[in-house]
Amino acid sequence: KNQVEQSPQSLIILEGKNCTLQCNYTVSPFSNLRWYKQDTGRGPVSLTIMTFSENTKSNGRYTATLDADTKQSSLHITASQLSDSASYICVVSTYNTDKLIFGTGTRLQVFP
Amino acid sequence: EPEVTQTPSHQVTQMGQEVILRCVPISNHLYFYWYRQILGQKVEFLVSFYNNEISEKSEIFDDQFSVERPDGSNFTLKIRSTKLEDSAMYFCASSENRGESPLHFGNGTRLTVT
Repeated sequence: KNQVEQSPQSLIILEGKNCTLQCNYTVSPFSNLRWYKQDTGRGPVSLTIMTFSENTKSNGRYTATLDADTKQSSLHITASQLSDSASYICVVSTYNTDKLIFGTGTRLQVFP
Repeated sequence: EPEVTQTPSHQVTQMGQEVILRCVPISNHLYFYWYRQILGQKVEFLVSFYNNEISEKSEIFDDQFSVERPDGSNFTLKIRSTKLEDSAMYFCASSENRGESPLHFGNGTRLTVT
């Protein structure tokens, strides 16, 4: 069964600190992996998209990694800001389908 | 930056009533989607739409659901006879292409069925 699991479920950090969120997937055939940021009450916003051949991709203070062999991805946030408080969702897609498979997300709270 | 807009932001309806959720995708996008998120659960795929027809639908998207692009700008989701379990946040999304194009999501319509 195609699944995307994320850890931790929630995370609290202080402003300015770094953090890393984890994603494991059992999706086949794999096409690409995406990280989305979802603020409370808003729609998800795309941060990165990585294909099978990409190991890392950055978007400002966000850096995503992908290990397609172990089917793991991480999202590293550098120098966190209060506005980073949100849910971060790992999303995987397969070939020949429009369906994106969403993880449950990690809820990040950044405190001053 | 262009964005996907959804209306209404919140819809309350009684069980058995029909509801129509409306979306205006980004103007040069060709692929349109509906997803839903039940409170506290994962976002789930409902349907994709391209070239004026459904490309793919999930098992959730049964005969009670339908989608339409009535004109060049709107994309609607209709639920014919709502059930309590249809209560969720419904997200519309659009993308330029399939595959590696990012999906751009609207801010959702919260549907509450009483």
